[in-house]
Amino acid sequence: DTGVSQDPRHKITKRGQNVTFRCDPISEHNRLYWYRQTLGQGPEFLTYFQNEAQLEKSRLLSDRFSAERPKGSFSTLEIQRTEQGDSAMYLCASSSNLAGGPGNEQFFGPGTRLTVL
Amino acid sequence: GENVEQHPSTLSVQEGDSAVIKCTYSDSASNYFPWYKQELGKRPQLIIDIRSNVGEKKDQRIAVTLNKTAKHFSLHITETQPEDSAVYFCAATQGAAGNKLTFGGGTRVLVKP
Repeated sequence: DTGVSQDPRHKITKRGQNVTFRCDPISEHNRLYWYRQTLGQGPEFLTYFQNEAQLEKSRLLSDRFSAERPKGSFSTLEIQRTEQGDSAMYLCASSSNLAGGPGNEQFFGPGTRLTVL
Repeated sequence: GENVEQHPSTLSVQEGDSAVIKCTYSDSASNYFPWYKQELGKRPQLIIDIRSNVGEKKDQRIAVTLNKTAKHFSLHITETQPEDSAVYFCAATQGAAGNKLTFGGGTRVLVKP
């Protein structure tokens, strides 16, 4: 499968616990995005990376959230001290802005559904 | 920041009829407008997109139109089929830099056989 992959697909945790999600982008894509989607809503931007550099973070991203992309390939999103309001689908997307590429199209992964009890 | 409004929130059509979904955006600097289709429990999938230097784009039964002056764009699906039933999201971005997408709230389309 050459698309964007995410792991795990589902995560159930208790309030106060830490969770970490992983995203593997399409291999030739240098940009990686994290979005959050709650039921019945469109995805909301959280943060994005170009290679290993985190270029933008949403105001939605509280101090409990941290994202990394250490080698410019896969990325992790960690949520510390989870709250019930963190329950959502966390979507990863990737794109390429390299010369000769389309530059804009973002391709989404299947998401990680987080449930905080 | 950018704000994208999408209407209607639900749309029920008879198979074979056309469906139209409309979106407005607030940031005149936005220049890339994709549309995603999301089936229940699945990932959003890009179905068509348009850049600000084009007024209309068509791909088989789907088409998108863009009015930069009015800051609105629309998705048109003709000859709807039951497999078109899904949630559709419009989005906008200052795409030249490949930046974040701002999504509309979604339209749930139901195609009745």
